[in-house]
Amino acid sequence: DAKTTQPNSMESNEEEPVHLPCNHSTISGTDYIHWYRQLPSQGPEYVIHGLTSNVNNRMASLAIAEDRKSSTLILHRATLRDAAVYYCILIDFGNEKLTFGTGTRLTIIP
Amino acid sequence: DTAVSQTPKYLVTQMGNDKSIKCEQNLGHDTMYWYKQDSKKFLKIMFSYNNKELIINETVPNRFSPKSPDKAHLNLHINSLELGDSAVYFCASSQEGPAYSNQPQHFGDGTRLSIL
Repeated sequence: DAKTTQPNSMESNEEEPVHLPCNHSTISGTDYIHWYRQLPSQGPEYVIHGLTSNVNNRMASLAIAEDRKSSTLILHRATLRDAAVYYCILIDFGNEKLTFGTGTRLTIIP
Repeated sequence: DTAVSQTPKYLVTQMGNDKSIKCEQNLGHDTMYWYKQDSKKFLKIMFSYNNKELIINETVPNRFSPKSPDKAHLNLHINSLELGDSAVYFCASSQEGPAYSNQPQHFGDGTRLSIL
């Protein structure tokens, strides 16, 4: 499985944008980039996914580098409820499982 | 309505016992999964079923046996519980299976299993 690298932790002020980076230099052409997050005492929650183009949904935006070796999850206006561990995961079209890494623990400062 | 529900939420039992965890999804999804999150918070897939057929079995001891009576349910039975089985177990579901790589998985809130 292609690996992802994320910072262990990040902090952001409430109501400011947050940019969560993910490196995936060994990504293959058929790997989709998925982001999940896990709030305290809850199961993981799907956030967004993409292949090549930038993606937007009601939760976040996903910016994918042109060479696809990195991506950034953007929370446009962080709230206290966005404090969670964020996981960047590559899913190969031929594979059938989510492989979670250690993720980035995001702390929101009021 | 809860999309993926697991019961029980907490399970405390003694070593050597046999226990089951139930999972139900009301999303109409074809594929269901079991994940284990250990004390270091690593999440790892254990099993997945697609339309009641086992498609992933990730080097899990034989003491763990999933059972899918229909595509809306995937239960996990654990025999002869050991101390190392203490963890949070998450059930999840997705539509058409992750092989399509563009279908999100929906997770339950977990079952916290503690072995005394």
